[in-house]
Amino acid sequence: DIQMTQSPSSLSASVGDRVTITCRASQSINVYLNWYQQKPGKAPNLLIYIVSNLQSGVPSRFSGSGSGTDFTLTISSLQPEDFATYYCQQTYRTPPTFGQGTKVEIK
Amino acid sequence: EVQLVESGGGLVQPGRSLRLSCAASGFTFDDSAMHWVRQAPGKGLEWVSGISWRSDNIVYADSVKGRFTISRDNAKNSLYLQMNSLRAEDTAFYYCAKDRAVTPQFQFDHWGQGSLVTVSS
Repeated sequence: DIQMTQSPSSLSASVGDRVTITCRASQSINVYLNWYQQKPGKAPNLLIYIVSNLQSGVPSRFSGSGSGTDFTLTISSLQPEDFATYYCQQTYRTPPTFGQGTKVEIK
Repeated sequence: EVQLVESGGGLVQPGRSLRLSCAASGFTFDDSAMHWVRQAPGKGLEWVSGISWRSDNIVYADSVKGRFTISRDNAKNSLYLQMNSLRAEDTAFYYCAKDRAVTPQFQFDHWGQGSLVTVSS
């Protein structure tokens, strides 16, 4: 199975900060990389698919980039509702696998 | 509005069986592949199984292959997961998830609220 490793595992940030989360795949996954947001007690929510495509309804402060093995999720100006755990997911090979998550907390 | 509502979770003894259901509404059910994704309490996400719109493409995680069976009834807008020979490590919230495509592409654009399955004696 393809292993997905996110960094950092957690971070503290303030409202208005620019936040970057990195995801690395154990082998090349081309552009088959998605990002999800999960708030406590809730189901995950698809943010970005195929590296950089914003899911309908997702604010434009979220963006994604990368290819091959290294990918990035950026939140340009952190908002109060963005404090959550973020997961990357590869869909290049079955089974699809997720990173361990990055928890974004309030500083 | 897309809605996915899971049911059937609960406490079950190791080795026993349980069947989860997912009732879908707000979209054309047979236009989408569907999946089950689980999350052990306080842990990360694990994809479990997926099924294409006409049930001709079914895939499973190795951890459940041979024990779990996914199925769907397009006439009833429903997805199912039959779980046999349950183990303690199957304890998790089980989410029903809609794919963006008709065959499994594993882009989960809508999720249910989750159903907790606890396997314990």
